[in-house]
Amino acid sequence: GNSVTQMEGPVTLSEEAFLTINCTYTATGYPSLFWYVQYPGEGLQLLLKATKADDKGSNKGFEATYRKETTSFHLEKGSVQVSDSAVYFCALMGSNSGYALNFGKGTSLLVTP
Amino acid sequence: EAGVAQSPRYKIIEKRQSVAFWCNPISGHATLYWYQQILGQGPKLLIQFQNNGVVDDSQLPKDRFSAERLKGVDSTLKIQPAKLEDSAVYLCASSLDPGGPDTGELFFGEGSRLTVL
Repeated sequence: GNSVTQMEGPVTLSEEAFLTINCTYTATGYPSLFWYVQYPGEGLQLLLKATKADDKGSNKGFEATYRKETTSFHLEKGSVQVSDSAVYFCALMGSNSGYALNFGKGTSLLVTP
Repeated sequence: EAGVAQSPRYKIIEKRQSVAFWCNPISGHATLYWYQQILGQGPKLLIQFQNNGVVDDSQLPKDRFSAERLKGVDSTLKIQPAKLEDSAVYLCASSLDPGGPDTGELFFGEGSRLTVL
């Protein structure tokens, strides 16, 4: 079945450090891939997405590239800010899933000043 | 634009009792989802509605969980009787147009946190 595996947290970084959160997936067909973010006290919200191989999703300085050859969708940001502290979820929508999302376990990020 | 509304935000019950959660999606969103998020895990889909019809309820424990979406707008999720392992946050989400350009963009409520003692 469809599944997503993402790196364990928590991840603690200093402000302006480089961020990578790894995400790999297992799916049949051609899934779409997503990163969702949950800021403290708020609901989950879409951060970025990519719908086909080699697509790059980007938003708020975050980027992720859909790599079919490595079945990966790693999240990166060149310089994190304290306000990026949140839980990040990688998610997959299978090509025959009825448009529901399969989520990873989430990775907690804490950015310190 | 108003977001997805859920209530109650918190509920504590004893095992074998019943509980109900309510969700009002964003106006005009045809698709509504209920997810269960156990502490330390990602959200798991329980049921998906398209208007007032069920699209997917394969992971809903139907012996104790039920959900309905009357009139294709708001929805209720019920658990009866509750078990200890039902302690989780129950997330409601809605989306506009499955299959359209915004496919995969779900709008989540803040969730209803259930503790079963």
